[in-house]
Amino acid sequence: KQEVTQIPAALSVPEGENLVLNCSFTDSAIYNLQWFRQDPGKGLTSLLLIQSSQREQTSGRLNASLDKSSGRSTLYIAASQPGDSATYLCAVGTGGFKTIFGAGTRLFVKA
Amino acid sequence: DVKVTQSSRYLVKRTGEKVFLECVQDMDHENMFWYRQDPGLGLRLIYFSYDVKMKEKGDIPEGYSVSREKKERFSLILESASTNQTSMYLCASGLQETQYFGPGTRLLVL
Repeated sequence: KQEVTQIPAALSVPEGENLVLNCSFTDSAIYNLQWFRQDPGKGLTSLLLIQSSQREQTSGRLNASLDKSSGRSTLYIAASQPGDSATYLCAVGTGGFKTIFGAGTRLFVKA
Repeated sequence: DVKVTQSSRYLVKRTGEKVFLECVQDMDHENMFWYRQDPGLGLRLIYFSYDVKMKEKGDIPEGYSVSREKKERFSLILESASTNQTSMYLCASGLQETQYFGPGTRLLVL
């Protein structure tokens, strides 16, 4: 059974710092991996989608990597800003309609 | 712009009540999903629908049912609400790769 784990559960950093959020999954037979952002009391917004054949995706200050063999993905945020404060969720697509979500990392960027 | 709306942002119900959560999407998507989100557990799939009047159980369907009479609308029904159904409920529509989420309904069952 696929399980997705995100460490740390919470993170507080000063503005301007580069940071890495971690995601691990137990079954390497994935269809894709996606990073979402969730603001308090709101739904999820997709940030980056990595197909199983890809190694990384970039969007602005965000870079996500995927290493299927080790069951790991990282989300790198460069030059963090207070507006980046949110919960970041990792989600693994297993084929069909199944997506397995991690519990998220709550990020707080201090001004 | 893509839009998924949910009927209520906050809802308080009593144990044993029948509860309806409604979700509407304006993107003509075939697929719609209902998740619940609990601290430390992430999102868990309750039910999904891949067409009008079609539905499939997700990982935690017990205590819930769904209805999809029209393509744009997907309803989640709690037949007899219980306190362990207190949670955040998120609706989504789209493809597996590009699910668009609504703002969520925070349900409290007393």
